[in-house]
Amino acid sequence: QKEVEQDPGPLSVPEGAIVSLNCTYSNSAFQYFMWYRQYSRKGPELLMYTYSSGNKEDGRFTAQVDKSSKYISLFIRDSQPSDSATYLCAMSAGSNDYKLSFGAGTTVTVRA
Amino acid sequence: DGGITQSPKYLFRKEGQNVTLSCEQNLNHDAMYWYRQDPGQGLRLIYYSQIVNDFQKGDIAEGYSVSREKKESFPLTVTSAQKNPTAFYLCASNPGRGLAKNIQYFGAGTRLSVL
Repeated sequence: QKEVEQDPGPLSVPEGAIVSLNCTYSNSAFQYFMWYRQYSRKGPELLMYTYSSGNKEDGRFTAQVDKSSKYISLFIRDSQPSDSATYLCAMSAGSNDYKLSFGAGTTVTVRA
Repeated sequence: DGGITQSPKYLFRKEGQNVTLSCEQNLNHDAMYWYRQDPGQGLRLIYYSQIVNDFQKGDIAEGYSVSREKKESFPLTVTSAQKNPTAFYLCASNPGRGLAKNIQYFGAGTRLSVL
């Protein structure tokens, strides 16, 4: 079993819809959680960074962490065609080597 | 502009050949990482370095080698021992301090193909 599980999709939604992405994990030591967006043939760019449980909102993006369920989510409101990308979840236990464990990524297409 | 520069963008390797991928950062970050990305498998860690002249193997180090002679540079060599090198290679760095100490920042990647 992988340490971080993420449904690879693909996910296709109409413009303006809410996109819901999630990851589950098995390591209870994870306490730092990130979502990256990766456009085709580009490097990942950081979208959201959260520590421990709770919600964080940034514009159209909301990240949620439920440590009791070992489950994290990313919601994209009012989705746009420019949101079409692969979304990677990543997490860290905060150890001194700052290594991250990544999900496989979910490919999202927003149809105009 | 501050950032991570990977070169070349595309690279082709002949059988039996070693090739080197470049990664340079001007963010003054201590830690640097190399990942391999294959379709549907996410990012897998090849090597990482937290300080000059020191590096550690990641999960899939076989067939790869690295050096860290300068803080700014962390080149990756794909040796002929790596039998399936076709992949997208990503370099990342991490500040290792402050509120964002766990965040890794990525370069644009190098796509390696075998001729």
